[in-house]
Amino acid sequence: EAGVVQSPRYKIIEKKQPVAFWCNPISGHNTLYWYRQNLGQGPELLIRYENEEAVDDSQLPKDRFSAERLKGVDSTLKIQPAELGDSAVYLCASSSKSRDSYSPDTQYFGPGTRLTVL
Amino acid sequence: AQSVTQLGSHVSVSEGALVLLRCNYSSSVPPYLFWYVQYPNQGLQLLLKYTSAATLVKGINGFEAEFKKSETSFHLTKPSAHMSDAAEYFCAVRHSSASKIIFGSGTRLSIRP
Repeated sequence: EAGVVQSPRYKIIEKKQPVAFWCNPISGHNTLYWYRQNLGQGPELLIRYENEEAVDDSQLPKDRFSAERLKGVDSTLKIQPAELGDSAVYLCASSSKSRDSYSPDTQYFGPGTRLTVL
Repeated sequence: AQSVTQLGSHVSVSEGALVLLRCNYSSSVPPYLFWYVQYPNQGLQLLLKYTSAATLVKGINGFEAEFKKSETSFHLTKPSAHMSDAAEYFCAVRHSSASKIIFGSGTRLSIRP
């Protein structure tokens, strides 16, 4: 079974340019997450989708970041315009509801997109 | 509020030696706790998770972690390190009724030949 797929793996852009990242979750996973991982730190949640609905976007900088998951499957995260501080690895993860209601869903992570803003 | 503290941003051990990566958490309610591993240029992979069942949790690749409520700790151990264990390890906490995971800042594990 294929894991979470992300593209591109690497992206280098100049500041003020737009950039987009794409994620295809594991088949059947209703929940999709976008994380940002700065160098030397753990991932931080940007947005979480349940199917096509964004249920937690409190950490998404809405002035320049946007995301969509139109058909409840794959998702796109966009930055416009990019700033130097946006350089990071952007991770996508997906999960399905655990059969055990007392156990949290296991999140499966993609390889990430490493963004460098010059 | 939840938080996770990983003591030591870098740990180096000899091949065959005990691996001990430290994690302390803060949570107002009994949490779910996780350890993830990240190999270079890859995403995070779940090693193990604590879900209020057994306090000693066994994971993949010979790792295990013990939940100690009195110490608010969830340290990761492996009896004998292997070269392939070199990676970044993240401890994470999650409130039982929410989906947001809070990650620690990570510990880079190096293995000396």
